[in-house]
Amino acid sequence: ETGVTQSPTHLIKTRGQQVTLRCSSQSGHNTVSWYQQALGQGPQFIFQYYREEENGRGNFPPRFSGLQFPNYSSELNVNALELDDSALYLCASSLAGTGRTETQYFGPGTRLLVL
Amino acid sequence: AQSVAQPEDQVNVAEGNPLTVKCTYSVSGNPYLFWYVQYPNRGLQFLLKYITGDNLVKGSYGFEAEFNKSQTSFHLKKPSALVSDSALYFCAVRPYGNKLVFGAGTILRVKS
Repeated sequence: ETGVTQSPTHLIKTRGQQVTLRCSSQSGHNTVSWYQQALGQGPQFIFQYYREEENGRGNFPPRFSGLQFPNYSSELNVNALELDDSALYLCASSLAGTGRTETQYFGPGTRLLVL
Repeated sequence: AQSVAQPEDQVNVAEGNPLTVKCTYSVSGNPYLFWYVQYPNRGLQFLLKYITGDNLVKGSYGFEAEFNKSQTSFHLKKPSALVSDSALYFCAVRPYGNKLVFGAGTILRVKS
């Protein structure tokens, strides 16, 4: 196990609602990245947080937003949920400062179903 | 564009036989390459990475990967497969910045 935890494990929402997913990073890590994994696909990068600021973003609309807290934990917020937002949301933590060689360690994910 | 291709949706191998899971990449500059494994209803587990140096990288659980710059490939290998190796395997490249770009994944089935 990596030490990265996510909550909740499963979530069911309806279209138009808002959702907040949470992630606690591995001890000693200061960076959190979020990915969306649709069924049968590889994970897609949403964004990364470092020092409580967004530090890179993938091709996701602004209704996907996040936060990082002083203890390096993070939240992913999705507003105005759409059916296509149904996916496994993965959080990964890493230690910034080692450049591109740093390894991202993933949590177990939160499975979101939008009805 | 930065991309990763895993040409096989599924690889079947008998227990005890060697296995190979293929990955090719397209990226400008030096590629930083990773392999992850995903078990059902679980997150991704890091197996190994190539940054620089020896083209043969050794990782967790007896897995290794061979980096081939001329063929832009980074195939995952194991000399002797176990039934417990059955899972979904992802190759990823970190072209720049902070994101990982993943392939679509390859299902590995090891039969006893």
